[in-house]
Amino acid sequence: GAVVSQHPSRVICKSGTSVKIECRSLDFQATTMFWYRQFPKKSLMLMATSNEGSKATYEQGVEKDKFLINHASLTLSTLTVTSAHPEDSSFYICSAAARNEKLFFGSGTQLSVL
Amino acid sequence: QKEVEQNSGPLSVPEGAIASLNCTYSDRGSQSFFWYRQYSGKSPELIMFIYSNGDKEDGRFTAQLNKASQYVSLLIRDSQPSDSATYLCAVKLPGATNKLIFGTGTLLAVQP
Repeated sequence: GAVVSQHPSRVICKSGTSVKIECRSLDFQATTMFWYRQFPKKSLMLMATSNEGSKATYEQGVEKDKFLINHASLTLSTLTVTSAHPEDSSFYICSAAARNEKLFFGSGTQLSVL
Repeated sequence: QKEVEQNSGPLSVPEGAIASLNCTYSDRGSQSFFWYRQYSGKSPELIMFIYSNGDKEDGRFTAQLNKASQYVSLLIRDSQPSDSATYLCAVKLPGATNKLIFGTGTLLAVQP
């Protein structure tokens, strides 16, 4: 299957700081990438759809000013958690859609805000 | 009503048995259905996808789709302890995007 690289895999930060997470499609171009978050023993919750060259589409209840998404190229999308707080601690996962509709996931980023 | 529903389990089966995982969805217009496997602390891995009514087999895995009943299932034959994981059902909503809606997942435990 297609390869999606996500970095970093784990980050610990202080409350009030910002954290950037990168998602790259390594062997295909992805005009659309998705960002999910997952709490322990819960399912993936779609946060936003990242579209190359345009603004991201956020799901209801997700603060766009807090979770900044940039999709500057066909292979890179970034999620920045601004002014992180302990309640933002979660597992963040990106995914990219290949031409055949299949969705491939990055390895995830475990964010811990102290 | 949740868009995609799964029994959270845990579903416990003995090694070598058939594990049956079920999923229902609410949007009758949904066209594409996916099963992902997720190990604890890892990201989901695509196992199977199915678009048409009926069965689709791939090795030990069989996906079954019944659009009239809005039901999709995953059968795992000859279950192995390494199959123990959470299985996520995902449904692609109607429309041009590839947005998937996930169920809460079923935890499968294969007992050696």
